[in-house]
Amino acid sequence: NAGVTQTPKFQVLKTGQSMTLQCAQDMNHNSMYWYRQDPGMGLRLIYYSASEGTTDKGEVPNGYNVSRLNKREFSLRLESAAPSQTSVYFCASSDRGRDTQYFGPGTRLTVL
Amino acid sequence: AQSVTQLDSQVPVFEEAPVELRCNYSSSVSVYLFWYVQYPNQGLQLLLKYLSGSTLVKGINGFEAEFNKSQTSFHLRKPSVHISDTAEYFCAVSGLSGSARQLTFGSGTQLTVLP
Repeated sequence: NAGVTQTPKFQVLKTGQSMTLQCAQDMNHNSMYWYRQDPGMGLRLIYYSASEGTTDKGEVPNGYNVSRLNKREFSLRLESAAPSQTSVYFCASSDRGRDTQYFGPGTRLTVL
Repeated sequence: AQSVTQLDSQVPVFEEAPVELRCNYSSSVSVYLFWYVQYPNQGLQLLLKYLSGSTLVKGINGFEAEFNKSQTSFHLRKPSVHISDTAEYFCAVSGLSGSARQLTFGSGTQLTVLP
């Protein structure tokens, strides 16, 4: 039981490049989330998916897109990376609303 | 809308001393409250949570927190800290949006335990 896994662990991009961050969970959870963590700002919600087939914007969605590929997988795409998107990205999942969220190990992204 | 304020960004404390990490929240509705811990270069893991019932909540690693509705606080305490408690601690409050719960995090408190 791996919990929540994220790939890659580290990534360096040039401004304007695109990439997709992958997230998978093996806990049969319904809800999945993407956060970014910046120094002194805690974690901020980018997008979430309450259940397979649905996605909604969080606090900071601009510059990102998401896909809930199936119940296990939730990907985050940067179409045209900007230096302001340099951050650590965390994926999380929960069984349903109001439940504890379980976090992946994070992806450290640097945009030059 | 809801918000969380962690009043101290850094808390240094000597080993075996007690510690309190402060958290205040604001919300127009009833809330669920959480404390998460993040060790260096790792994801977040749940320390404890308050959903309902007793206002004193016990968590892992000897931590506990008390929900105070009148003061809108949820402070985290430990009577005697260890070097291994050095980490960043996040307070979070939940709201509802459809069937998914959105967590709002505080900015974090770095706890450093000194020998």
